[in-house]
Amino acid sequence: TQLLEQSPQFLSIQEGENLTVYCNSSSVFSSLQWYRQEPGEGPVLLVTVVTGGEVKKLKRLTFQFGDARKDSSLHITAAQPGDTGLYLCAGGSSNDYKLSFGAGTTVTVRA
Amino acid sequence: GAVVSQHPSRVICKSGTSVKIECRSLDFQATTMFWYRQFPKKSLMLMATSNEGSKATYEQGVEKDKFLINHASLTLSTLTVTSAHPEDSSFYICSVVPGGGPDTQYFGPGTRLTVL
Repeated sequence: TQLLEQSPQFLSIQEGENLTVYCNSSSVFSSLQWYRQEPGEGPVLLVTVVTGGEVKKLKRLTFQFGDARKDSSLHITAAQPGDTGLYLCAGGSSNDYKLSFGAGTTVTVRA
Repeated sequence: GAVVSQHPSRVICKSGTSVKIECRSLDFQATTMFWYRQFPKKSLMLMATSNEGSKATYEQGVEKDKFLINHASLTLSTLTVTSAHPEDSSFYICSVVPGGGPDTQYFGPGTRLTVL
């Protein structure tokens, strides 16, 4: 079973629209990482957040870590076809460096 | 971030043969590497933690005699799928942890294994 619940599972939007992906857990994590993966490739790190309440912005992407370090969200503004991919959130443990992955959100941005 | 390579990127083998997959950390020394497998349109499933100079630690349900891991140097870990069967067909991905800070993992490009 996944410790991290990721929603929605699928998201299909038109270019220029905004989207938000959620990652929730009952467990506390030392860090929360977001990755994007394209078919046939390994996941590529987008961001790591470590402080409760932290907000990080990378161009059109905004990442938020919940105050209690149990949940996170990824918001994309004015989505582009290049944002299409599988988005994965992963909670980190500073004890053994293992990651607990969410089930993933498949995002499709239509031109 | 860290740069990780995997070789081969794709491999097709006959049932009953063994296949070795290499994972290399190209720009730093990694005492810890992880091996995952991923089924189509699914998330990553951790198989084992590869520790340099010691035995790998396997996750529950993963057969250590089936999936042999060797972490002989600080830049190389290998995963050998022994006596492969069609159900072993999957996408295998390794990752490294630079350490010294957040537990961020950097992933290799993956290896697609197809067992006929």
